[in-house]
Amino acid sequence: RKEVEQDPGPFNVPEGATVAFNCTYSNSASQSFFWYRQDCRKEPKLLMSVYSSGNEDGRFTAQLNRASQYISLLIRDSKLSDSATYLCAVNAEGSQGNLIFGKGTKLSVKP
Amino acid sequence: DTEVTQTPKHLVMGMTNKKSLKCEQHMGHRAMYWYKQKAKKPPELMFVYSYEKLSINESVPSRFSPECPNSSLLNLHLHALQPEDSALYLCASSQDAFRWTGGVESYGYTFGSGTRLTVV
Repeated sequence: RKEVEQDPGPFNVPEGATVAFNCTYSNSASQSFFWYRQDCRKEPKLLMSVYSSGNEDGRFTAQLNRASQYISLLIRDSKLSDSATYLCAVNAEGSQGNLIFGKGTKLSVKP
Repeated sequence: DTEVTQTPKHLVMGMTNKKSLKCEQHMGHRAMYWYKQKAKKPPELMFVYSYEKLSINESVPSRFSPECPNSSLLNLHLHALQPEDSALYLCASSQDAFRWTGGVESYGYTFGSGTRLTVV
């Protein structure tokens, strides 16, 4: 089983739609979780940290389910500018800080 | 603008060349990283420096040689690369490689914009 797995998509949605991505991780000792956004030929940019209690930032909501070992990202009222690849990242206790990335889920928001 | 600066943005080099990639951050971060990303793949860790000391080398071939001259700078020296080494090389930094706070407050990486390397 791969350490961090994501549905690669692509997810093609109309503007205004709500879309959700899931990411599963294999290491139950994982402590920190993140969602990154990567535009084509650009570097990943931190979108949100994922807190145990779940957290929201405007149209974006991140949740963590430790029992099932997955994190999720919900985007409400999708905008054209949300089109990008969304990478989840997990670091595990004892891994000295390095993040393990999922392959990313490509989102395409259409007019 | 990114707070982690990488130079050059693009590099084309021959298999016998020696070149260096540079990374600089002034956020006071004590951990710095080199990642390699191929097209349609996730970033893959190469090296981790923590407090200017190499703490992780993910079995990277010796033709890649990292260097951390001080807490703000990270270099990656390249020598005798292969065409399959062509990729986007990303530098990142974080506040502290060893600080875990159980998810209450977590420190993500800040990435530089990367160096797109082509080996011919």
